[in-house]
Amino acid sequence: SFELSQAPSVSVSPGQTATITCSGDQLGEKYASWYQQKPGQSPVLVIYEDHKRPSGIPERFSGSNSGNTATLTISGTQTMDEADYYCQAWDSSTVLFGGGTKLTVL
Amino acid sequence: QLQVQESGPGLVTPSETLSLICAVSGASVNSETHYWGWIRQPPGKGLEWVASIYYTGLTYYNPSLKSRVTIAADTSTNHFSLTVSSVTAADTAIYYCAGRGAEFSGNYVFNSWGQGTLVTVSS
Repeated sequence: SFELSQAPSVSVSPGQTATITCSGDQLGEKYASWYQQKPGQSPVLVIYEDHKRPSGIPERFSGSNSGNTATLTISGTQTMDEADYYCQAWDSSTVLFGGGTKLTVL
Repeated sequence: QLQVQESGPGLVTPSETLSLICAVSGASVNSETHYWGWIRQPPGKGLEWVASIYYTGLTYYNPSLKSRVTIAADTSTNHFSLTVSSVTAADTAIYYCAGRGAEFSGNYVFNSWGQGTLVTVSS
């Protein structure tokens, strides 16, 4: 069955670039999306169709997807970006989420 | 603006059936451009998709839960629902209902989430 894998944690210094990856068999042939979830809050869609940003999402959030890996990039990371990030894709009528990556900004 | 809000019991007895309702505002549950779903999150763990439904009534289920789960939509009350039968402690989670707005039509994403409701399975 199709699965999405993410590293459990990533650390970045404020102002630097954070890179969060999501791996899955031939993921590049599907659309990848990304959600941000802060403690005690509901998830927020930050990237869809690999690289598109919903209205209201800052430009520092960007995405790409090729081969077996989708990538969420946060440029000029801010302390407010500290959160859990989940990738998501669709395969054979099934929605899948990655295990999530905890982004620490310190 | 699309909004969704869950409601349901906070505590369910093992082996019983869990029932949740999601109230939709800002769109109709039978809208051709919208899509609805349930996602759950065990305490301290990641997101797990449970089920989705289209305006046609077409439903999709997480294969690992399919035998115990039913999603349905009610156009008269503009809500959709989730039932999970034969619950165990493993079903303890925050349950979110979510929707996809018209601007994301064609994508299997959720851009509007409820605040979530914690369901605990315990005797």
